Amino acid sequence: GAGVSQSPSNKVTEKGKDVELRCDPISGHTALYWYRQSLGQGLEFLIYFQGNSAPDKSGLPSDRFSAERTGGSVSTLTIQRTQQEDSAVYLCASSPGPSPRLLFFGSGTQLSVL
Amino acid sequence: DQQVKQNSPSLSVQEGRISILNCDYTNSMFDYFLWYKKYPAEGPTFLISISSIKDKNEDGRFTVFLNKSAKHLSLHIVPSQPGDSAVYFCAARGNSGGSNYKLTFGKGTLLTVNP
Repeated sequence: GAGVSQSPSNKVTEKGKDVELRCDPISGHTALYWYRQSLGQGLEFLIYFQGNSAPDKSGLPSDRFSAERTGGSVSTLTIQRTQQEDSAVYLCASSPGPSPRLLFFGSGTQLSVL
Repeated sequence: DQQVKQNSPSLSVQEGRISILNCDYTNSMFDYFLWYKKYPAEGPTFLISISSIKDKNEDGRFTVFLNKSAKHLSLHIVPSQPGDSAVYFCAARGNSGGSNYKLTFGKGTLLTVNP
């Protein structure tokens, strides 16, 4: 597709359940980012993938959060045993390199944990 | 502790007038600043940026000013148009530790341009 695609666009889950959020980056983009935006907050960096390098996971808020990127393309963000404070918009972005000017965001997944 | 602050959650201006969105930062290691624009149900899109070695960058109706001594930047939109109505995020990049891909974002300012 032409842009970054995220699915689902909305996800409602019960506290304690696991969720998987998917991101399809722009074809050919080597860098992939996950950010989240909690209500009333700015975008918060979660994780960064660049090519075959080890990802920068320094933004993941707890060990309940994990992410992988298969084949240098599609990425999945997994949240285990969801908590209400995990409710947020989860945004994926890709870029052809590390320059933040070239960051293209998807429209996000709105996660609601009841 | 918020390193990038946008103290005005919202701003309303008349079409044709100037919109000024402000952003303050605390980290002196930031070397590159960006503004992103976000419409509802869409992801943020890059608008304009400025390096810390400059004090002004202009692109059409959009100008970003940087005052390093005050750790302050502003985005000017002249003339404002109704289509500019969106949330504007200020973001900054640090230059230490090799993590020049990480951005720190402010909370955003909702701009409404009234016809």
